[in-house]
Amino acid sequence: QKEVEQDPGPLSVPEGAIVSLNCTYSNSAFQYFMWYRQYSRKGPELLMYTYSSGNKEDGRFTAQVDKSSKYISLFIRDSQPSDSATYLCAMRKTNYGGATNKLIFGTGTLLAVQP
Amino acid sequence: NAGVTQTPKFRILKIGQSMTLQCTQDMNHNYMYWYRQDPGMGLKLIYYSVGAGITDKGEVPNGYNVSRSTTEDFPLRLELAAPSQTSVYFCASSYSQGQRMNTEAFFGQGTRLTVV
Repeated sequence: QKEVEQDPGPLSVPEGAIVSLNCTYSNSAFQYFMWYRQYSRKGPELLMYTYSSGNKEDGRFTAQVDKSSKYISLFIRDSQPSDSATYLCAMRKTNYGGATNKLIFGTGTLLAVQP
Repeated sequence: NAGVTQTPKFRILKIGQSMTLQCTQDMNHNYMYWYRQDPGMGLKLIYYSVGAGITDKGEVPNGYNVSRSTTEDFPLRLELAAPSQTSVYFCASSYSQGQRMNTEAFFGQGTRLTVV
């Protein structure tokens, strides 16, 4: 079983739709959760960062963590064609550097927002 | 502020050839990383460095080598290229003060490598 599972999509939605992207994980030690956005032929860029359970909002984006279910989500409201990208979830166990703290990525979900 | 810069952007290698992927960052980050990204497989950590002179293996280090002689540069060396090393390679950096991570990883634009 992979440590982090993510539906690869592709997910196609009309402009203005609410998008829900999800990841599940198996290791309860994960505490720090991130969402990266990756445009075609570009490097990933950090979109959202959350610690432990709860919600975090930034403009049209909301990140949600449910540690009891080992499930994280990214919601995009009023989606725009410029949101078309691959969205990667990532997580790690601690906030400390070093050998034991590695960022584990999901495989990414390809999102296309149709104008 | 250039961030993380990778060169080259594209490269085609023949089996058995060697090459160095260059990575430099101008953010004075102490941590640097090399990842490879294959379709449907996400990002896999190859090597990482916590500071100049210190490197360590990630999940998939076989067939690669790294060095970190300066804070800014973290080259990745492929000695005997194999088709299995066809991938997109990303360099990233982050900053840790003491034991705590102060920033998340900033990524370069990637190097697309094909081994034929």
